[in-house]
Amino acid sequence: SQQGEEDPQALSIQEGENATMNCSYKTSINNLQWYRQNSGRGLVHLILIRSNEREKHSGRLRVTLDTSKKSSSLLITASRAADTASYFCATVGSGNTGKLIFGQGTTLQVKP
Amino acid sequence: AAGVIQSPRHLIKEKRETATLKCYPIPRHDTVYWYQQGPGQDPQFLISFYEKMQSDKGSIPDRFSAQQFSDYHSELNMSSLELGDSALYFCASSLRGLGDNYGYTFGSGTRLTVV
Repeated sequence: SQQGEEDPQALSIQEGENATMNCSYKTSINNLQWYRQNSGRGLVHLILIRSNEREKHSGRLRVTLDTSKKSSSLLITASRAADTASYFCATVGSGNTGKLIFGQGTTLQVKP
Repeated sequence: AAGVIQSPRHLIKEKRETATLKCYPIPRHDTVYWYQQGPGQDPQFLISFYEKMQSDKGSIPDRFSAQQFSDYHSELNMSSLELGDSALYFCASSLRGLGDNYGYTFGSGTRLTVV
């Protein structure tokens, strides 16, 4: 990966449980974004957290950012079968042209 | 609302052939980014354009070239195709600086298969 690691690489949970995915990155960032990808489909933006923010919420999503550890986590609460997808974190570096550097992704399976 | 349109959705080419992928950004967006995603891999940045000028370049092979036209659509030209070029190719568009604050909108991608 251009950026770093995501863990776990694969996660299987029951509907209603919470899912936590972690992401690490290597360089200083402007912001960190999470994207969702259904199998073979396009990437859908979920949430963005800026480098001066520590936590952000959007519906059932909660993202945290620790710039000292260069890491982020995405929590999906009360998961649904429809949440089954791959989840990628991506960073926009400080002072660059806005390109996204992606992590390796976590494949989430939510069993009904 | 209009989204990012990519064409074609699927493309099958033979080795050493040439392929052209097209990306039509959201209206009024002035910046386009291209990404390549191999099977089971994370998306890798290839190249970007702002106001019809190349703004950044990633791990794009010399066999590939791209440009952004006056109507802001972009084309990725791939020559001397290799089996390893088989991948999903995405483009994303943004109004300069907006993607930094609100995230990017991606097209559905072009799946290129080289046989």
